[in-house]
Amino acid sequence: DTGVSQNPRHKITKRGQNVTFRCDPISEHNRLYWYRQTLGQGPEFLTYFQNEAQLEKSRLLSDRFSAERPKGSFSTLEIQRTEQGDSAMYLCASSLATDNTEAFFGQGTRLTVV
Amino acid sequence: AQSVTQPDIHITVSEGASLELRCNYSYGATPYLFWYVQSPGQGLQLLLKYFSGDTLVQGIKGFEAEFKRSQSSFNLRKPSVHWSDAAEYFCAVGGNTGKLIFGQGTTLQVKP
Repeated sequence: DTGVSQNPRHKITKRGQNVTFRCDPISEHNRLYWYRQTLGQGPEFLTYFQNEAQLEKSRLLSDRFSAERPKGSFSTLEIQRTEQGDSAMYLCASSLATDNTEAFFGQGTRLTVV
Repeated sequence: AQSVTQPDIHITVSEGASLELRCNYSYGATPYLFWYVQSPGQGLQLLLKYFSGDTLVQGIKGFEAEFKRSQSSFNLRKPSVHWSDAAEYFCAVGGNTGKLIFGQGTTLQVKP
């Protein structure tokens, strides 16, 4: 098991373009989370899935953002019509849906919108 | 409102000195508490966690933390800091869904 994997690690895009990030969780984990972290801040929750169901979305997740987990395994996070304010580190985490369990984080995808 | 406060944005300690990083939380239900460490450009690594039971928890790399319900605190400690401990440290609170609320982080600098 190689842990939570995120691709790409870095993405530079022009304002207005669409971008998509991928997260592969730890294989037996049925919960998957997306967070956004801007410079000098702690991670902020965006959304989470249990299996393929998206159970909660933050108000931070504007309608330009969409996340999917179609088969309850990997997940994608798409940002449409990117803005400079979208520049951040996007972190994915996974966990088991049981009590007393912790989330394991990936290395993150660093997005820069120019 | 649910929140985590880390009052110290930056802390500098000498190598070999003791360390305490402060964390206060506000959470409506029974909290699960965590400390994570992040090196520049990297993801988060779990140092330790508290779910229930003994309020003094041991973690990796010689870190420990104490849960004090009366003070809504979960401070992180290490008796002797090593240069490799320089990083950013995040306190987080969560519940049964696993969703985490993070503090702003404390940047630790270690002087030789």
